[in-house]
Formats: sequence, structure tokens, C-alpha cells
Amino acid sequence: AQKVTQAQTEISVVEKEDVTLDCVYETRDTTYYLFWYKQPPSGELVFLIRRNSFDEQNEISGRYSWNFQKSTSSFNFTITASQVVDSAVYFCALSGRRGSQGNLIFGKGTKLSVKP
Amino acid sequence: DAGVTQSPTHLIKTRGQQVTLRCSPKSGHDTVSWYQQALGQGPQFIFQYYEEEERQRGNFPDRFSGHQFPNYSSELNVNALLLGDSALYLCASSLEVVGELFFGEGSRLTVL
Repeated sequence: AQKVTQAQTEISVVEKEDVTLDCVYETRDTTYYLFWYKQPPSGELVFLIRRNSFDEQNEISGRYSWNFQKSTSSFNFTITASQVVDSAVYFCALSGRRGSQGNLIFGKGTKLSVKP
Repeated sequence: DAGVTQSPTHLIKTRGQQVTLRCSPKSGHDTVSWYQQALGQGPQFIFQYYEEEERQRGNFPDRFSGHQFPNYSSELNVNALLLGDSALYLCASSLEVVGELFFGEGSRLTVL
């Protein structure tokens, strides 16, 4: 069975602090894809990153970085120097079907509040 | 370039009624996926439509059905509504089954 666990339900930080959102996944597939999405109060899910199971290189995009560790089945997301606009619910997701993003297994999300 | 649009944005129904939600995909996209997101939970995959056919389906009862039209727009129908069907229904479109998903802002359904 496939499963995504985001143990942190809510996190509150002060602006400019660094924050890491944890994601642990379970799958028996050898090929799979991992994703992070951001959901602001408006409701739409905004795509942040996709990573396939064969690429364990960490990735950095501006203030965002992702740490993929296959050995611990984790795909953690760090925001450096957080800003108020980063406040949202963040979801980690898993797709086991090769190349298909249509059927995603989502975690329950982590609500991040960044206070000024 | 219009993104994914959904209608209605909010609606209230009573138990036993039927509801139809609509989705227009992002321009150029041909695949539509539907998700149900209960309050405080992550989205759950309902089904995916490509070439006017249901290609994949999640663990949802037959009360949930859908359709895709030749212009790639899609409808989600839910019959015999239950209180537990109250949720945000998200539509996502992509270019073919393997494409990146773009989500709409959702239709919030309340069942009383």
C-alpha cells in the first residue's frame, strides 16, 4: 500500500526563521514520483516540485530546498528566511504509476503560519 | 491564458440530492482529474478522464460519476448525497496522463 505521512500538523514561525516540513512515504514501487504542493487560503494547489525515485540529488530553488533520502523514505522541504506570504498548507504527495501525475496520494498536510 | 476554472464555487445541498460540478481545463490540456478534500485532510483521488473515458479511479463508490466532453471540459456528478460528501472538490488538468497537474480553486460542497 502507498502512504504519505506528514507528522507536523501545524507549525508557527516568526518571519526570517528557517523551517523544515517533514514528509515520510511508503511504497512498494521501484519507480515512483514525489511532489510538494502549496495550498493558500484561496484553495488551489500550487505545484512546487516533482522528484523521481532515481534522482536523490537535493534541489534548491530560491528560498526553497528539498532533501530526498531514499534510505529513510523521506522527502523534506525547507524554507529559508520564511516570509508571511509563505503561510499556507503544504502537502507532500506520491505517485506510483510511472509518469502519471493524475493519481496522487497526498499526506494530510502541514499548516505553516509565518508571523511578522 | 486562463487556468483551470471550476463552477460553482460554493453550493449547499441536502441529503439525498444530486449535484453536478463543472471543470474547464487549462488551455491546451486534455486530461482532467478530480479530487475530494475533506476539511483538514489532504486531497483524495476520485478519477481521471482522458479522451472522454475514465482512465483511473480511486476508492469512491459508484455514486460518484463523471464525464468528459469533446472540448476536454469535465463534470463530476454525485448522487444520493450524504453528509460525509461535504468537502472541497478539486479539479486538475494536465497535458496527457503524464503531464504536470494544474489545479483549480475548487467547488466547496456543503450537504445538510
